[in-house]
Amino acid sequence: QKEVEQNSGPLSVPEGAIASLNCTYSDRGSQSFFWYRQYSGKSPELIMFIYSNGDKEDGRFTAQLNKASQYVSLLIRDSQPSDSATYLCAVNTQREAGTALIFGKGTTLSVSS
Amino acid sequence: EAGVAQSPRYKIIEKRQSVAFWCNPISGHATLYWYQQILGQGPKLLIQFQNNGVVDDSQLPKDRFSAERLKGVDSTLKIQPAKLEDSAVYLCASSLKFAPSASPLHFGNGTRLTVT
Repeated sequence: QKEVEQNSGPLSVPEGAIASLNCTYSDRGSQSFFWYRQYSGKSPELIMFIYSNGDKEDGRFTAQLNKASQYVSLLIRDSQPSDSATYLCAVNTQREAGTALIFGKGTTLSVSS
Repeated sequence: EAGVAQSPRYKIIEKRQSVAFWCNPISGHATLYWYQQILGQGPKLLIQFQNNGVVDDSQLPKDRFSAERLKGVDSTLKIQPAKLEDSAVYLCASSLKFAPSASPLHFGNGTRLTVT
């Protein structure tokens, strides 16, 4: 089982719709969860982080965490063409010498105008 | 606040040659990471330093890759000898805190390596 799994997509949504991106992880002890956005040819940039079960909202973005199901998601409301990018889920995962931030493969989102 | 600095931005080498990448993290950031990102995939952690000590290098191909972080600041990643499959973007990142409540990573612009 991979440590952090995401559907690679592409996920296509029309402008103004809600985009839903999902991620599952294997380490039950994980405490910190991050969503990064990566435009083609650019480095990842942080969108949101969440530590507690439930929802966390920031503008058009909502992160949802369910530790019992080992599931984290990102909702993008009122999707814009500028949201078209690859979204990376990252989870703090236990290692022998400490914890390390492990990324999923990313989901490509395409928002059409 | 200055960001994470990496050099070079691009590098083209032939297989079996050696190459080195340099990273300067954000001032005061204790944790430094090297990730390898192959086209179409997510970043894969190669090595993580806490100050100048190694936290995790389980995914580092130690027969050809090496990394060091001198005095807990700058870091270099070396590949010797390079293989075709090493073609990727090498991302350096830093964060202020260490786990368990890890603080977000700040990435540099990366070094795009092409091995021919």
